[in-house]
Amino acid sequence: KQEVTQIPAALSVPEGENLVLNCSFTDSAIYNLQWFRQDPGKGLTSLLLIQSSQREQTSGRLNASLDKSSGRSTLYIAASQPGDSATYLCAGPNSGNTPLVFGKGTRLSVIA
Amino acid sequence: GAVVSQHPSRVICKSGTSVKIECRSLDFQATTMFWYRQFPKQSLMLMATSNEGSKATYEQGVEKDKFLINHASLTLSTLTVTSAHPEDSSFYICSAREKMAGSGELFFGEGSRLTVL
Repeated sequence: KQEVTQIPAALSVPEGENLVLNCSFTDSAIYNLQWFRQDPGKGLTSLLLIQSSQREQTSGRLNASLDKSSGRSTLYIAASQPGDSATYLCAGPNSGNTPLVFGKGTRLSVIA
Repeated sequence: GAVVSQHPSRVICKSGTSVKIECRSLDFQATTMFWYRQFPKQSLMLMATSNEGSKATYEQGVEKDKFLINHASLTLSTLTVTSAHPEDSSFYICSAREKMAGSGELFFGEGSRLTVL
């Protein structure tokens, strides 16, 4: 059964810093991996989706990588802003029909 | 991206009553929808998988008679919390996978916060 772990659980950085959030998974047969953002009391916003055949995806200041062999994914946020403060979740299904298995998230605070 | 809408976003009810939460895919057809529950400062826990036109598949420990799921059409799934109790108070989130999409990407609703008094 797929298990997803996220490190660190919480992170506080000053505005402008580049940062990396880590995600690891136990089953390398992961179908794809999604990174989400969740603001307090809100639903999930999909940030990036990486297919199992891809190694990375980029969207604006965000870059996500996927290394299936090591069971790891990273989310890189460049030039962080206070508006980036949120909980970031990674998740992946084992196939195209199975549900996402979530990590516990990393709670990010960007201090102005 | 595709849009998934949940309603209501917040609901407060008395203990013993039933509450229905709707999840709609607005601009795509979803053969499969997933219902998650999230307790404060916890991650999302899968409750059940809802397939259009068939019975839902529940995760271990989730009471199917308490959490009734109906997926009557390709754009609508409902979760009914029956005889709600304070311990059912939680944030419920649905997600949907587009029928025709090969990417497997899941889209999430805004969530419904249930408070049982």
